[in-house]
Amino acid sequence: DGGITQSPKYLFRKEGQNVTLSCEQNLNHDAMYWYRQDPGQGLRLIYYSQIVNDFQKGDIAEGYSVSREKKESFPLTVTSAQKNPTAFYLCASSGQFLNNSPLHFGNGTRLTVT
Amino acid sequence: GNSVTQMEGPVTLSEEAFLTINCTYTATGYPSLFWYVQYPGEGLQLLLKATKADDKGSNKGFEATYRKETTSFHLEKGSVQVSDSAVYFCALSDNSGNTPLVFGKGTRLSVIA
Repeated sequence: DGGITQSPKYLFRKEGQNVTLSCEQNLNHDAMYWYRQDPGQGLRLIYYSQIVNDFQKGDIAEGYSVSREKKESFPLTVTSAQKNPTAFYLCASSGQFLNNSPLHFGNGTRLTVT
Repeated sequence: GNSVTQMEGPVTLSEEAFLTINCTYTATGYPSLFWYVQYPGEGLQLLLKATKADDKGSNKGFEATYRKETTSFHLEKGSVQVSDSAVYFCALSDNSGNTPLVFGKGTRLSVIA
């Protein structure tokens, strides 16, 4: 079955450590996205990528980094510079970076930093 | 800029009650509108969409009509079930091909038996 896989489902880190969240898709989608979800805040866009080897900052990119070396993969690194990293992180993809193309979401990674 | 405003939750209903979740938007031009649903512990799924004025999107008993005159896309269901308990997100795209979807903050629905 095609879909988006995020791993792990739960992740725990100590403050000051970088951590990388995995996102893999086998839908052959060009565009991929990372969102952060906090209670009462809805979804906020961190980074997005329209095509391999290209990505753009979203609304809250500070303290995060991404890479898009392969079409299937769009890992997100939460760096120690991110002031409030504890959150639920959602990865998504779409067939094209055209706005009628629906987003397909993974099941998320819940990151807790203490 | 583009924005979406949803009614604040949480919304609590009894089974078989009528549901309305309000969504209004601000956008230039002719956006496309979407409703996504997030069940507990999962990512979001597309529930329905409408791409032009007066279009009605529908799925799983849910409906929403794209009203340009009131800039609204309210979600409705005639008879909710416990299994409809989830968070519902209204979203907008401006069809420019330059910007990602804009989401509302979400409305949590709890349906009790």
